[in-house]
Amino acid sequence: DAGITQSPRHKVTETGTPVTLRCHQTENHRYMYWYRQDPGHGLRLIHYSYGVKDTDKGEVSDGYSVSRSKTEDFLLTLESATSSQTSVYFCAIKTAGLAGETTDTQYFGPGTRLTVL
Amino acid sequence: GEDVEQSLFLSVREGDSSVINCTYTDSSSTYLYWYKQEPGAGLQLLTYIFSNMDMKQDQRLTVLLNKKDKHLSLRIADTQTGDSAIYFCAESASGTYKYIFGTGTRLKVLA
Repeated sequence: DAGITQSPRHKVTETGTPVTLRCHQTENHRYMYWYRQDPGHGLRLIHYSYGVKDTDKGEVSDGYSVSRSKTEDFLLTLESATSSQTSVYFCAIKTAGLAGETTDTQYFGPGTRLTVL
Repeated sequence: GEDVEQSLFLSVREGDSSVINCTYTDSSSTYLYWYKQEPGAGLQLLTYIFSNMDMKQDQRLTVLLNKKDKHLSLRIADTQTGDSAIYFCAESASGTYKYIFGTGTRLKVLA
């Protein structure tokens, strides 16, 4: 599982409230990602990070911001949650050719189920 | 543009082989991945193949790649009830940060 944890695992919140999801990794991987998973859409990239304080937008970044002040933590913030942001959120890291692998690969955290009422 | 397509559902009987299909669009040097997602869990990497390969086998899993048609398949031999899950195909151009995922194929294994 590449040492990835996400917190909280489940959250219910109300429209208009701020929400922060945390992704923590223990193996000093440079690249970290936030995706959302919705039925019929697969996984869509929200934001990614390629180092401390280095982040960039993905395909569905509106309404989300991220921060990465330490290598091990990547935070996703919904500034003012909306019902359309009800989803399952996955964090991922990209390895750099670990032993036995010939390519970079992504490993995923267990996910956070967010419900916005 | 970049797109990865999969059929949504597949149902097979226990002991039969399952074949999950995927088409992709990137024609550059590309890695192609298969992930498995069980209920309530994250995506688990099953296997991957580079676009200059035709086939890769790993125990019960066989990946076949038709580069001409940009078609990728995952064959699971002797399918078990524990194989019931959603299977995602993904592609990534070599040297980039970006991964494109399909919508996932839900495999249901009937006892």
